[in-house]
Formats: sequence, structure tokens, C-alpha cells
Amino acid sequence: QVQLVESGGGVVQPGRSLRLSCAASGFTFSSYGMHWVRQAPGKGLEWVAVISYDGSNKYYADSVKGRFTISRDNSKNTLYLQMNSLRAEDTAVYYCAKDHRWGPIAVAGNYFDYWGQGTLVTVSS
Amino acid sequence: EIVMTQSPATLSVSPGERATLSCRASQSVSSNLAWYQQKPGQAPRLLIYGASTRATGIPARFSGSGSGTEFTLTISSLQSEDFAVYYCQQYNNWPLFGPGTKVDIK
Repeated sequence: QVQLVESGGGVVQPGRSLRLSCAASGFTFSSYGMHWVRQAPGKGLEWVAVISYDGSNKYYADSVKGRFTISRDNSKNTLYLQMNSLRAEDTAVYYCAKDHRWGPIAVAGNYFDYWGQGTLVTVSS
Repeated sequence: EIVMTQSPATLSVSPGERATLSCRASQSVSSNLAWYQQKPGQAPRLLIYGASTRATGIPARFSGSGSGTEFTLTISSLQSEDFAVYYCQQYNNWPLFGPGTKVDIK
């Protein structure tokens, strides 16, 4: 069965960096686009970033563009999110999510058929 | 820029009753709409995609309808495990979620 397990969350000071990981299993990781979605405490869901199946294409929400970098290592079945210049408003549970379709990503058509359990990032001094 | 809205914000329903949740897009998203269920402390779970197609393993009491800018999620007879927050998400452009509807026990 599909499993996505995030790690790397914690408490970090504003302006510092943190890297999240998501270990995938139960499907052909190298064939699917992967996403990060976040949820601030008590709030709704916000899409953060997507990476294509081969890592060649990456897209970001405006709120994180230039500060966050999504990447993947298909040899390790692992997705990453490097978060730099963190702000208080980045405080959230970060979920990795599998795109429903295999192959290239596009602007349209991205929804999520499997999610990890999430990892909490708290940005506070 | 697309804006997603959901109504009501909270829906109080008795077990066994029907629940109707609404989702509206500020511009047409065709049928590129998904619904998710989220229980406290859990990740969202895909319920519906393509506005009306149930995801794998989703009970038949969940149904979706609509296209363009107006969408509805109907739960025909609420079970105890259905009390949760429900989010719609458009995927006609980069993913964008609605603010959610909380379904609680009346």
C-alpha cells in the first residue's frame, strides 16, 4: 500500500532554515509528480510546491517562491522541501502528497490521491 | 485569480440525515474539482475527483455534482465517521482549496 512518511519538522527561529523529507513506498515513486501542501494551525489547506516525476520541473506558490526549494531523490524514493528565510507565517503542518497521475506535470490537473501524516514546523523566536 | 468559497462554514446534522455542502469558484474550473475529508489530527483523504467520481474505497453515500462554478458534495445518510471538515479543491489551474465546511453533530 502507498505510504508517505514526513520528517524533519521542529521549532526554528525566524530567518533560519529547515529541510523536510518525505519517504515514499508502495508505488513507483519515480513515475509520479509529488507535492507539498501545508496547513497553518486551525486553518485550511495551502498548496506549496510540486516537482515532476524526474525532478526537471518545479513550481511554487507565490507565498514561498524564492525561499523554498522542492527536490527529490528517486534512488532513495524521497521527496524534500528546503525551507530558507523562514517566517512566522510559515508555521504549519507540512504534508507531502502524491499526484494522482503518472508522467509530466502541468498547470492543470493536479490533485492528490495519497497524503502523508504531516510534520509540524513552528517558526518562533 | 480564482477564489474558492464554501458554504456553510459549519453544518450541524443528525446521524442518518442528509448533508449538502456547497463549493463555488469565482470563475469556471470546468469539472476540475476534488473533494477531501479531514478528521482532527489526520491528513486529508480524497473523496471525489472530476466533480463527481468517487475515489477508490469511498462509500456510495458520498456523491458529487456540478460543473463550471457551482459544485455540491452530498452525504446521503451521515454516519458517525463522517463528522469532519470537507474541503473542495480546484485543479483547473495550480491547486487551490476552499476554506472548508465543518460537519458536526446536531
